[in-house]
Amino acid sequence: EADIYQTPRYLVIGTGKKITLECSQTMGHDKMYWYQQDPGMELHLIHYSYGVNSTEKGDLSSESTVSRIRTEHFPLTLESARPSHTSQYLCASSEYYDTQYFGPGTRLTVL
Amino acid sequence: KNQVEQSPQSLIILEGKNCTLQCNYTVSPFSNLRWYKQDTGRGPVSLTIMTFSENTKSNGRYTATLDADTKQSSLHITASQLSDSASYICVVSAGNNNDMRFGAGTRLTVKP
Repeated sequence: EADIYQTPRYLVIGTGKKITLECSQTMGHDKMYWYQQDPGMELHLIHYSYGVNSTEKGDLSSESTVSRIRTEHFPLTLESARPSHTSQYLCASSEYYDTQYFGPGTRLTVL
Repeated sequence: KNQVEQSPQSLIILEGKNCTLQCNYTVSPFSNLRWYKQDTGRGPVSLTIMTFSENTKSNGRYTATLDADTKQSSLHITASQLSDSASYICVVSAGNNNDMRFGAGTRLTVKP
């Protein structure tokens, strides 16, 4: 069982709200990732980080932002949520380019 | 067009039966290929990882094969169990920075 955690697991909010999805790992991994996954579809990389103070945008354009102030913490923020942001968000970490360990995901619904 | 195509999209089998899932990719240059299992509402969990020089790898009842020439991989599940019901995702890494490309997955349902 991987030591990577995401909160909340489920979130239903109204349009225009600011939200932060939390992701923490206790494995000391340098690399962390955020993916977006719609039902029955492939995962799309939206953000990643090589380490503290490093953040990069992924393949899928996203209006979200991330920060990496501590190795173990990689939160994702949406300043103004919209219905188009409704999706599952998965956080992952890895040691260098080794196998990724995924968190349980946050299912976000924006009304 | 996705660089990693999986088939079938979904599959229903009876408990105890075997099945094979397919993954075709166009990702280049190839670095490695991973199979993940994703239970409903959970994050993916790694089953196998294969590099260019490996053509088969087993993890319990799961056996993955790789043909780097034809750019095809398969995941064979033996003696299926109800707990095998999940989505199985093929992930191909490319280049020196291990840029990862995800397939859409095969949704497997094992019925009693």
